[in-house]
Amino acid sequence: GESVGLHLPTLSVQEGDNSIINCAYSNSASDYFIWYKQESGKGPQFIIDIRSNMDKRQGQRVTVLLNKTVKHLSLQIAATQPGDSAVYFCAGNTPLVFGKGTRLSVIA
Amino acid sequence: DSGVTQTPKHLITATGQRVTLRCSPRSGDLSVYWYQQSLDQGLQFLIQYYNGEERAKGNILERFSAQQFPDLHSELNLSSLELGDSALYFCASSVGQTDYTEAFFGQGTRLTVV
Repeated sequence: GESVGLHLPTLSVQEGDNSIINCAYSNSASDYFIWYKQESGKGPQFIIDIRSNMDKRQGQRVTVLLNKTVKHLSLQIAATQPGDSAVYFCAGNTPLVFGKGTRLSVIA
Repeated sequence: DSGVTQTPKHLITATGQRVTLRCSPRSGDLSVYWYQQSLDQGLQFLIQYYNGEERAKGNILERFSAQQFPDLHSELNLSSLELGDSALYFCASSVGQTDYTEAFFGQGTRLTVV
């Protein structure tokens, strides 16, 4: 089945800097890969997704990169803000299976 | 507000007991997913239903069962509870089943087994 995992459990970033959160997956069956954000005390919330036939997709302040050769996914957050502090999960969609997550802490 | 409603928000029960968690999906969503979140295990996928039928199964214990009713709400039944079952249980819903559509999560039910 699908298996996704995060390279780092925690990441601390200075406010205003860019953040990069990485994820590796083992099953290539997913049509999409998705990033979710979970703030303390809340359920996960969709950030951005990318089709498996794409290499890059940009959203507002976020960019997701997909490298199918090495089965690697990354989420880049530009100009990180305190409100970005949360746990970030990547997931494949067949079914919607998540990795353990990376906790992003933004230092003001 | 995601539009997904989970009840109850908190539940405290004793080992060996049985509980039922309820999820009402967003209006129009046919898929319901259940997840267990504990500190050391992240978000564990348990099971997915689509329009009343089981669609995918994850790491769901035999002591756990779920179903989706004709009105599309879903219930997760946990029986013979153990201390290790203490966790946050999330429900999510989406329009589709395999084609990707954004999944919306409820606020979760925090289960404490004492």
